[in-house]
This record gives sequence, C-alpha cells and structure tokens, in this order.
Amino acid sequence: GESVGLHLPTLSVQEGDNSIINCAYSNSASDYFIWYKQESGKGPQFIIDIRSNMDKRQGQRVTVLLNKTVKHLSLQIAATQPGDSAVYFCAETALSSYKLIFGSGTRLLVRP
Amino acid sequence: DTGVSQDPRHKITKRGQNVTFRCDPISEHNRLYWYRQTLGQGPEFLTYFQNEAQLEKSRLLSDRFSAERPKGSFSTLEIQRTEQGDSAMYLCASSPDRGNSETQYFGPGTRLLVL
Repeated sequence: GESVGLHLPTLSVQEGDNSIINCAYSNSASDYFIWYKQESGKGPQFIIDIRSNMDKRQGQRVTVLLNKTVKHLSLQIAATQPGDSAVYFCAETALSSYKLIFGSGTRLLVRP
Repeated sequence: DTGVSQDPRHKITKRGQNVTFRCDPISEHNRLYWYRQTLGQGPEFLTYFQNEAQLEKSRLLSDRFSAERPKGSFSTLEIQRTEQGDSAMYLCASSPDRGNSETQYFGPGTRLLVL
C-alpha cells in the first residue's frame, strides 16, 4: 500500500514482487526523461532514461513507460530486492535545455 | 573512482560564516551543474557551466551564492554569510558535451548544516 510520510509517498512491496513507481511530469515540451535512485546520504544514481519518441524502454530488471498524452511516466522494477529500497525520482528536460526538473519522489520499501 | 566527487561531504557552520564546496566532474565532461536538495524534496537547479562559462543561474541563487569553474575542470560553490535556510544537500552533476549530453551524473553531495 501507499502512505505519505515526510512529504514523500511510500510504496511498500514484498521482496520478489514487481514494483511500479509513477510520476506525472509537468512540461509538455519535455522530450527526455530520466529515473534516478537515491539512497540515504547519497547523490542520485542514474537508472534508466527514455526519449519522447519512444513509449517503452527496458533495462536490467527495470522498464520505463512513457505516456505523453497524459504526461505520465512509470518505472517498473521486476523481482524487487532489498537493495532496491531507496527514494526514486523522475526528472524531465528538453533536448535544448540543460537543467533537470525533478518530481517529488517516491520512497520504495522492500519487505524481506 | 571515475565518478563525480565532492568535498567536503559534510559541513557544519555557524550562521554568518562563509563556506566553500568543491566539485570534480567526470573527466572530460564539459558540462557541470549545481543543485540543492532539501529533506523530502527533489534536487533543484542552481547553476550550469559549459567549460569555464557560467551560462545560467537560477533565481534560487541569491547574491550570497557564487560559483566558479576557472579552468573548465573543477568547480567551487561559495555561500557567504550563511543563513539557517541554506541548510541542505548541495549536489554537483556533470554531463558530456556530445553524445548523451542530457544525462547528468551526480556526485555524493555536500550536506550543509547552518546552526
């Protein structure tokens, strides 16, 4: 289930289950999107990216889906592991830009 | 380690003091960015360099803040007359000038606490 704490929505999943983290982006002109993972006390770590000419991209255990019609981005993590516990941020930018605009983040908790 | 490095990792200072942070980007990355992150929020853009040129400053960056990248390699971020509201994590990122220039790789951050 989800709960809100410290301004971050939280997703709690059982180890081995699949996780889906959602993000609504703000700028219809954005054409490049990145998911970052941030562990406590560390900087954001690049996970996967997608350009606006695609609607799906797969990596190792992760898949990003992009729905430009409703300005929605999702990150799917297969077979979630305890090491996946972190805060996940989506970020958007335009190819002509240089600054990332971050979403508010989702905390993922993996129950053993 | 060939990633972005930042120094110091933690800084505690008293209100009114000046602090300076350093960022070393990934080698040969021409673009360098500073962000600020407060607890429970995503990083917010502060400023951007392409080589030694500072091309954009956010309105978040008051005149007490100054950033430099004198030789187009490492960068420093200085905060003068610190205030308690400056307490945050200061993140540096870099990206290449060519290829996937939009993909920014972040350092571990400098956590600042102003007492």
